[in-house]
Amino acid sequence: QQKVQQSPESLTVSEGAMASLNCTFSDGTSNNFRWYRQHSAKGLEVLVSIFSDGEKEEGRFTAHLNRANLHVSLHIREPQPSDSAVYLCAVSRGNNRIFFGDGTQLVVKP
Amino acid sequence: VTLLEQNPRWRLVPRGQAVNLRCILKNSQYPWMSWYQQDLQKQLQWLFTLRSPGDKEVKSLPGADYLATRVTDTELRLQVANMSQGRTLYCTCSAGLGGNTGQLYFGEGSKLTVL
Repeated sequence: QQKVQQSPESLTVSEGAMASLNCTFSDGTSNNFRWYRQHSAKGLEVLVSIFSDGEKEEGRFTAHLNRANLHVSLHIREPQPSDSAVYLCAVSRGNNRIFFGDGTQLVVKP
Repeated sequence: VTLLEQNPRWRLVPRGQAVNLRCILKNSQYPWMSWYQQDLQKQLQWLFTLRSPGDKEVKSLPGADYLATRVTDTELRLQVANMSQGRTLYCTCSAGLGGNTGQLYFGEGSKLTVL
């Protein structure tokens, strides 16, 4: 069964400094990678989806995928306090069974 | 406009009672609907994906039993039973196109607390 692990567990950055989150997965045939964030008591908000090796940018959020290294990362440019949330990495083959990491708690200090 | 509407959003569940959750899809363009469960501050875990009206599945996990039903093209239900006393559980639904790419959309979740 797919294992998805995120690091760090928690991350505190100052407003405006780059935030970098990491995610490793175990199934090398995975082809569908997404980053979500979850503010407490709210639904999941999709940030960026990536399906092939390389980089994908959506606004201030950039995902990097390296399937050979079983690694996908998320970089947040100029983070703001409103970006404080739990960030979840989601990995699957296709859309129908998705495995999530445990999440990284991001705190952005003013 | 929210693509997925879940109700109830929150329910106190007397011990031993089952609870029925609904997930309503506002755009049937995304036919693959799924349920996920999440304990407080723990990992989000996939439960079921049901594509067609009439599809049903059951699953037993530590702490609760689940029965999912795809009622119509736009409604997915989840019955949660035998929840452990004192447990707080979030159930979230999603909808997507299926296949290898395409976006997934999530509901805002239903919070269940067992008395």
